[in-house]
Amino acid sequence: KAGVTQTPRYLIKTRGQQVTLSCSPISGHRSVSWYQQTPGQGLQFLFEYFSETQRNKGNFPGRFSGRQFSNSRSEMNVSTLELGDSALYLCASSSDAFSAFSGANVLTFGAGSRLTVL
Amino acid sequence: GQQVMQIPQYQHVQEGEDFTTYCNSSTTLSNIQWYKQRPGGHPVFLIQLVKSGEVKKQKRLTFQFGEAKKNSSLHITATQTTDVGTYFCAGNFGNEKLTFGTGTRLTIIP
Repeated sequence: KAGVTQTPRYLIKTRGQQVTLSCSPISGHRSVSWYQQTPGQGLQFLFEYFSETQRNKGNFPGRFSGRQFSNSRSEMNVSTLELGDSALYLCASSSDAFSAFSGANVLTFGAGSRLTVL
Repeated sequence: GQQVMQIPQYQHVQEGEDFTTYCNSSTTLSNIQWYKQRPGGHPVFLIQLVKSGEVKKQKRLTFQFGEAKKNSSLHITATQTTDVGTYFCAGNFGNEKLTFGTGTRLTIIP
């Protein structure tokens, strides 16, 4: 069973540019969650998509957006990049991240996309 | 919003010593999950606990879920260098999204 695939793995951008990151979940998983990880900040929740619908959003500015396609693949976009956006962006798929009792909420993470903003 | 607090933030132990990290919530959790992230890696699922007072073991790792379902712990017996990494707890409040703790970074002194 293929894991969660994130592309690109590494990228360098300059301030003001925009970036799009891609995530292909495990086959059959309908839920995709995105997290930002910076040193000392743990895992900051960005948003979660389930069957092409955004079900929850973290406390990030509107420059951060995402979407999910009918095949469950997801993209996130960051516009007008700032230096503070430099981070590891992790995507995680599950059967259903909101399903607390069935085990469907177990997250499988991708290797991440490491973004550096200069 | 609802938060999951994790302590300690950092822990340095001699190889062979035990290690424990604690996870606490002010409100009842539906479940608790534990993940491990190796340096330079991504979080990997270890285990999920659902029942009040539940205890599960994986070799040298012991996971506990409190009776009130508001706290949890991960205990590692006789640490090894392969245990290095950051350990995260995460839980659902009801059927809401998973909320991650702040993580405990474990380093091993050989």
